[in-house]
Amino acid sequence: EAAVTQSPRNKVAVTGGKVTLSCNQTNNHNNMYWYRQDTGHGLRLIHYSYGAGSTEKGDIPDGYKASRPSQENFSLILELATPSQTSVYFCASARLGVQDTQYFGPGTRLLVL
Amino acid sequence: QQKVQQSPESLIVPEGGMASLNCTSSDRNVDYFWWYRQHSGKSPKMLMSIFSNGEKEEGRFTVHLNKASLHTSLHIRDSQPSDSALYLCAARSSSGSWQLIFGSGTQLTVMP
Repeated sequence: EAAVTQSPRNKVAVTGGKVTLSCNQTNNHNNMYWYRQDTGHGLRLIHYSYGAGSTEKGDIPDGYKASRPSQENFSLILELATPSQTSVYFCASARLGVQDTQYFGPGTRLLVL
Repeated sequence: QQKVQQSPESLIVPEGGMASLNCTSSDRNVDYFWWYRQHSGKSPKMLMSIFSNGEKEEGRFTVHLNKASLHTSLHIRDSQPSDSALYLCAARSSSGSWQLIFGSGTQLTVMP
């Protein structure tokens, strides 16, 4: 199974502060994704990427930026964190085909006070 | 409105029983479906995928797909307490982006 790691695993931030969540995959997958998961909403797509240097907006991009500096790394940046961004964040990766499965990292639990 | 609807929201079955979970897409462009299982505090793990009309069986798990109605169902026979988890249905269109659309999930509890 594909290996996707995330750091940090837990984070407490203050309102207005900057938060960077990191994701690394070692399977040479082209596509990477950032989701947030909240009770009653399932998984919602924030940003995704087709490869190094590319980022695309998902369904809920407001308040988030993304960066894909290399094939392996994909970051999610909260420039001005707000309490509404308290959530669990998952990174996922997949190969290029439409039938390819997405593999998820362990998640980052973010609390914004 | 959610494009992928799952039912029921929660389900309790006795150990050894059959669990049946449903998922329907309202997006006519959807072609492919996945079922993920997420244990409490863990990340989603792909359980089964189905891309063609019909049925697919893997051990105790069976998935059905009806493309005309955009409906898929997951059936777990001989349910075990370790099957207790959130089950997420995901769908993707064969054209356009590589985005997966997730439903809100069915919380399954298997009582010993």
